Amino acid sequence: QSALTQPPSASGSPGQSVTISCTGTSSDVGGYNYVSWYQQHPGKAPKLMIYEVSKRPSGVPDRFSGSKSGNTASLTVSGLQAEDEADYYCSSYAGSTNFGVVFGGGTKLTVL
Amino acid sequence: QVQLVESGGGVVQPGRSLRLSCAASGFTFSSYAMHWVRQAPGKGLEWVAVISYHGSNKYYADSVRGRFTISRDYSKNTLSLQMNSLTAEDTAVYYCARDHVVGPASYYFDYWGQGTLVAVSS
Repeated sequence: QSALTQPPSASGSPGQSVTISCTGTSSDVGGYNYVSWYQQHPGKAPKLMIYEVSKRPSGVPDRFSGSKSGNTASLTVSGLQAEDEADYYCSSYAGSTNFGVVFGGGTKLTVL
Repeated sequence: QVQLVESGGGVVQPGRSLRLSCAASGFTFSSYAMHWVRQAPGKGLEWVAVISYHGSNKYYADSVRGRFTISRDYSKNTLSLQMNSLTAEDTAVYYCARDHVVGPASYYFDYWGQGTLVAVSS
């Protein structure tokens, strides 16, 4: 169960858009539409932001959107706000061999 | 409202055992798969284990398989994680998390507890 690859950091100014990538393999990201994204503020539990590649749970602003192409998923945050500064983790179902989940290493999003 | 409250963390010596619990409330516990996810200090998230809504299916990360056991008590609405043969690499905040959908696991986690810290040290 290898971790998914995310850039360690990303940044943008208020109002701008930023995209965070998440690269896996055909055994996880590329093989299933079971990609999700979590936001985590310091000292807090993670929060589900996107599931099934592009769906938003109730209460998540539509500024957050997700997509996938091949083995790479992406999270885009539009209209950046100060409260968006946090760590973001992608995850994917890892296949029927072990019925598990793999996470990315996380991306620290800084709002400049 | 949905609440998940973990307990049982603490400092434990290498090779010893520890049992974590997660008290669930505010939803029909028997309808959802439940997960444990951990986070080492300053590190990323790592999925640990899942138990199906009916309790019959249990799956583990390679790093804990054979040492950890996930279980659930429907009479007490409690999720548990029995951790044996602990090593320093198991040091982390352990979160219990509810699966996003009713029924078979979707492997998305929509509610999380506040976490309980397990520190393995001599």
